[in-house]
Amino acid sequence: DVKVTQSSRYLVKRTGEKVFLECVQDMDHENMFWYRQDPGLGLRLIYFSYDVKMKEKGDIPEGYSVSREKKERFSLILESASTNQTSMYLCASRPLTGNQPQHFGDGTRLSIL
Amino acid sequence: GNSVTQMEGPVTLSEEAFLTINCTYTATGYPSLFWYVQYPGEGLQLLLKATKADDKGSNKGFEATYRKETTSFHLEKGSVQVSDSAVYFCALSDGGYQKVTFGTGTKLQVIP
Repeated sequence: DVKVTQSSRYLVKRTGEKVFLECVQDMDHENMFWYRQDPGLGLRLIYFSYDVKMKEKGDIPEGYSVSREKKERFSLILESASTNQTSMYLCASRPLTGNQPQHFGDGTRLSIL
Repeated sequence: GNSVTQMEGPVTLSEEAFLTINCTYTATGYPSLFWYVQYPGEGLQLLLKATKADDKGSNKGFEATYRKETTSFHLEKGSVQVSDSAVYFCALSDGGYQKVTFGTGTKLQVIP
């Protein structure tokens, strides 16, 4: 069965820390995505990647960076965490060919204190 | 650019009531359309999809028909259960290289 695994379900960090959120998929998908989900705002795309070492900015990339060194792994980095980055973060993957749906991880609820 | 508009929630229904969640879209090409469901504390799961005009997606008693003439993909279920309480997202995609565009989600609460 298809699986997208996010490294943590809950995470608490302090303002100014560098934070890493990890996502691994086992489906050999080319595309991977990072979203944040906030009440009333739905899902907002932060970054996505369609190949190893490739990345594209989404709608709200400010304050974030990403890394895709291996096909199965896509990391989201908060360079210097701030309280307004407290949110639910969702990782997803999908194949490049065809118009296939995304597969999501269970999410990481991140709190920045 | 592409966009998806969903009806605002929350929607509260009694068990066995009929459900409709409206979704309309704007897209330049011929997108595929999706409904996702998010149960409390979980990520999104694909509920159903349709890839071309007049296609009907269905799963777990839910249905949605791809209406190109009205640019709509409304979600329906004839008889909801308490276990259907969740947030429902309508989404579209123009192709593998393209990002997926989501609506803002509609929260459904079903009461016994």
